Amino acid sequence: GAVVSQHPSWVICKSGTSVKIECRSLDFQATTMFWYRQFPKQSLMLMATSNEGSKATYEQGVEKDKFLINHASLTLSTLTVTSAHPEDSSFYICSARAVAQGSSNQPQHFGDGTRLSIL
Amino acid sequence: LAKTTQPISMDSYEGQEVNITCSHNNIATNDYITWYQQFPSQGPRFIIQGYKTKVTNEVASLFIPADRKSSTLSLPRVSLSDTAVYYCLVGDWDDYKLSFGAGTTVTVRA
Repeated sequence: GAVVSQHPSWVICKSGTSVKIECRSLDFQATTMFWYRQFPKQSLMLMATSNEGSKATYEQGVEKDKFLINHASLTLSTLTVTSAHPEDSSFYICSARAVAQGSSNQPQHFGDGTRLSIL
Repeated sequence: LAKTTQPISMDSYEGQEVNITCSHNNIATNDYITWYQQFPSQGPRFIIQGYKTKVTNEVASLFIPADRKSSTLSLPRVSLSDTAVYYCLVGDWDDYKLSFGAGTTVTVRA
């Protein structure tokens, strides 16, 4: 259980293109999804928190107009990198947290990431 | 967010037990402790989570002392496929926003 699917897994595109990445929770409902970025040999950096039906909360230094997040349903969040440039090339990873079951704390479950390469 | 400190790297051999200790001196009352494993070019995989005392599942054990200022992930009888980066995180159980530290690179040798 607790499977998070991310699509696409790899994308290469030209500078100036906008790229959409999808994150789906396959077997559970997620009120909250998170988007991370990871550069080679570095740890994950939280970019934004996405709550179903409301605007995403961005971390300091993350441009909300550059990284558009939509969380339209309890199983889908999308990240759109608008007008991507080579410096946006990175490994983008989403995670989802299940709707709380009683008093038990639900951990985040991660997708397998999207490798974005901007030429 | 509670900051965590873990060793940068650890080496081990197949069949040995690996124990990774994480310090989180500023852990708050509402914080849970969660450990993840990450292989190259993959997302982190949930290993185990706990609040206090000891938690055990089919892959690992998590030991948390009474003051909760540290925790130890124990991986029994590691194999080559356990070579990965292991992250210790603490997060509030209400918003559960996680902050990843540098992690511990565990290398298992034959």
